Amino acid sequence: GENVEQHPSTLSVQEGDSAVIKCTYSDSASNYFPWYKQELGKRPQLIIDIRSNVGEKKDQRIAVTLNKTAKHFSLHITETQPEDSAVYFCAARRTTDSWGKLQFGAGTQVVVTP
Amino acid sequence: EADIYQTPRYLVIGTGKKITLECSQTMGHDKMYWYQQDPGMELHLIHYSYGVNSTEKGDLSSESTVSRIRTEHFPLTLESARPSHTSQYLCASSPPRTGSSSEQYFGPGTRLTVT
Repeated sequence: GENVEQHPSTLSVQEGDSAVIKCTYSDSASNYFPWYKQELGKRPQLIIDIRSNVGEKKDQRIAVTLNKTAKHFSLHITETQPEDSAVYFCAARRTTDSWGKLQFGAGTQVVVTP
Repeated sequence: EADIYQTPRYLVIGTGKKITLECSQTMGHDKMYWYQQDPGMELHLIHYSYGVNSTEKGDLSSESTVSRIRTEHFPLTLESARPSHTSQYLCASSPPRTGSSSEQYFGPGTRLTVT
């Protein structure tokens, strides 16, 4: 089955700096890679996703890059703000999985200090 | 408003009690999921459903059971609660798979404490 590894487990950044979280996946049949943000005491929410036919996707201050050959994808947050503090989860889904199951990484606790 | 709802939000219960965690969605989604999550930690899939009368066990072994008698409703039951069941339980749903969206939408969660 799919295995997703996420690094780092914690990330502390100064406000205004950039943050990068990296994930690797094992199953070359995976074709959909979402990123979820979970603020303290809240539900996980999708912030950006990318499909295997795209190398990069941006949405304002966040971007995701995908390297299919190396089987890794990354989340980039620029100009970080205190409200970016949260746990971020990457995930992968196999193209052949009709159940829509996601394999999640272990999460990255991001702390943005003013 | 189309959303996914979970009740109760918090539950403290004694060992040996039977409990049912409720999950309902008003988004017309066919697929639904239950995850177990310790605070700020990894999401573990414990059950999922493709539609009415379709349920499967997830990657993490769980002593809970689920049912899917109605499309919008996906309750999770623990026949005999134990302290090891203390955790947060998140319900999620996703629409029929299309080329544009495979997003899973999460409910607010039920935080269960078994004493």
